[in-house]
Amino acid sequence: AQSVTQLDSHVSVSEGTPVLLRCNYSSSYSPSLFWYVQHPNKGLQLLLKYTSAATLVKGINGFEAEFKKSETSFHLTKPSAHMSDAAEYFCVVRPLGGATNKLIFGTGTLLAVQP
Amino acid sequence: GAGVSQSPSNKVTEKGKDVELRCDPISGHTALYWYRQSLGQGLEFLIYFQGNSAPDKSGLPSDRFSAERTGGSVSTLTIQRTQQEDSAVYLCASSTGTSSDTQYFGPGTRLTVL
Repeated sequence: AQSVTQLDSHVSVSEGTPVLLRCNYSSSYSPSLFWYVQHPNKGLQLLLKYTSAATLVKGINGFEAEFKKSETSFHLTKPSAHMSDAAEYFCVVRPLGGATNKLIFGTGTLLAVQP
Repeated sequence: GAGVSQSPSNKVTEKGKDVELRCDPISGHTALYWYRQSLGQGLEFLIYFQGNSAPDKSGLPSDRFSAERTGGSVSTLTIQRTQQEDSAVYLCASSTGTSSDTQYFGPGTRLTVL
């Protein structure tokens, strides 16, 4: 079965410093992978998605993620954190094939940005 | 354009009562999904519609949960005889239904069962 593991439940950074949110996936073949962000009391918003094209995926708000098959990782990064980046981030996998396009979510990483 | 909308935004009910949650997908989206977000279980898939059919109901936790979609648009998630463990945020998403599409989420309905 396909799954994702988010290695950190909480990450705290200072404003202006780099962000790294870690995600490992489990799949017997290249899956579709996503990062979604959820701000407090807001809906889920897609940051970026990987669907077997370029391994470095650029998303909104300066975020990017690199698909590394050898490490089964899809870590999310941003060079410089902004206060508005404080939110919960979900790494997501979509199983290929079958009768569904359902998403399987990781447990989330809560990002705090300190002034 | 308009996104996915859900109503009500908040629902408080008493244990044992039935509730209906509504989802209006983005116009033209043929695929519709229900998910549940709770403290203990995280974000979990409930049911998927393609048009009015539900090819994947595997996430519905019990037979108290059901969903329907009419006219290929609005969907209703019904929970009968609610229990306290049903308290969660119920999220709806829609997409164009292709294999590489993006799911767009609504703001959710926060259900509290007293």
